[in-house]
Amino acid sequence: GQQLNQSPQSMFIQEGEDVSMNCTSSSIFNTWLWYKQDPGEGPVLLIALYKAGELTSNGRLTAQFGITRKDSFLNISASIPSDVGIYFCAGQRNFNKFYFGSGTKLNVKP
Amino acid sequence: DADVTQTPRNRITKTGKRIMLECSQTKGHDRMYWYRQDPGLGLRLIYYSFDVKDINKGEISDGYSVSRQAQAKFSLSLESAIPNQTALYFCATSDLSDQPQHFGDGTRLSIL
Repeated sequence: GQQLNQSPQSMFIQEGEDVSMNCTSSSIFNTWLWYKQDPGEGPVLLIALYKAGELTSNGRLTAQFGITRKDSFLNISASIPSDVGIYFCAGQRNFNKFYFGSGTKLNVKP
Repeated sequence: DADVTQTPRNRITKTGKRIMLECSQTKGHDRMYWYRQDPGLGLRLIYYSFDVKDINKGEISDGYSVSRQAQAKFSLSLESAIPNQTALYFCATSDLSDQPQHFGDGTRLSIL
């Protein structure tokens, strides 16, 4: 069953605001990924994290691998309308398959 | 050209019909995956394959079967479709099992 809890489920924000979302699990993961899905398309990888405590940026996006290895965070600074979409976290244990969160739907009002 | 191509992109069919969804990739990856996406449930793994002779069940394999015809091709079949299999289906590939997966653009399947 579902092993990752992703929150919030949806967000409505104003253009220019910062955004924060997270994923938590009761299990330890050794890899965390963040994806974005645009309507009518498949998820596209944003950031990959491989080490506890790791903080990685990709433009206005920053993600962190939690110290406990049971959580991860994604922040988007100064949001713009093209940030609209669904953001998914994914975690992997024991170099096996990935488990996906249920997604955070982001709406940005111009 | 897309690295991971799914066909068809959309399909509407009737209960009881047999359906095949196809996935091909030009990335040269050994590992291929089939996921199902439902609103509010994220992506759930149906089947995965680490090479041509390897097939593994995911968390929701009942009612589905797969075939890995070649390194570049991985197809998903619904032997007798039922309405609760209506969903968005994604194929993905990865180079190694701990590397990020690359997704196709999905197949929207509706079963009436």
